[in-house]
Amino acid sequence: DQQVKQNSPSLSVQEGRISILNCDYTNSMFDYFLWYKKYPAEGPTFLISISSIKDKNEDGRFTVFLNKSAKHLSLHIVPSQPGDSAVYFCAAIGQGAQKLVFGQGTRLTINP
Amino acid sequence: DAEITQSPRHKITETGRQVTLACHQTWNHNNMFWYRQDLGHGLRLIHYSYGVQDTNKGEVSDGYSVSRSNTEDLPLTLESAASSQTSVYFCASSERARGKAFFGQGTRLTVV
Repeated sequence: DQQVKQNSPSLSVQEGRISILNCDYTNSMFDYFLWYKKYPAEGPTFLISISSIKDKNEDGRFTVFLNKSAKHLSLHIVPSQPGDSAVYFCAAIGQGAQKLVFGQGTRLTINP
Repeated sequence: DAEITQSPRHKITETGRQVTLACHQTWNHNNMFWYRQDLGHGLRLIHYSYGVQDTNKGEVSDGYSVSRSNTEDLPLTLESAASSQTSVYFCASSERARGKAFFGQGTRLTVV
């Protein structure tokens, strides 16, 4: 049972435009969400997070939006740059839990 | 600088052999995790540890074991390697459950 789902395996965006990556979750106990970025032959690196008490968190070009009623979060990258081409993983954790649950990942390609 | 390192980076082994993948972190984190990454599945948790002498099974633990004799290391052992265990393995550590995790560079394991 996939508790965290990224339904788009890949996304292609033109440089300078907005990239929107989506993530859905099924477990209502999840209350903290993170996005990780992964380049080929490297480990994932933390990008941005959001607590369920918020509906938006910004860090430079990256913004994460959380819609608790829809159990949906999204990562916006504006403007998209070639260096943003990577696989993005959504992850979630619930109260009292100590381990992250990851989605399947979305491969983002930024075209010049 | 603190870091988390995995060895080897690449390994080819034969079916039925015992294999151990090393993970060493200098963050002094209590929490350590092993994930495998497979196409279409994202990152799936194999085993995790909250501290010395503590180990727990994740969602795909069959055929794997870990031991935690000190804070820095969490080796992952494949008791009898199978072709289904061909994958990329990532070790991670975190200070707090609800904080970001730091990942190693990964070990690409091929079982032939």
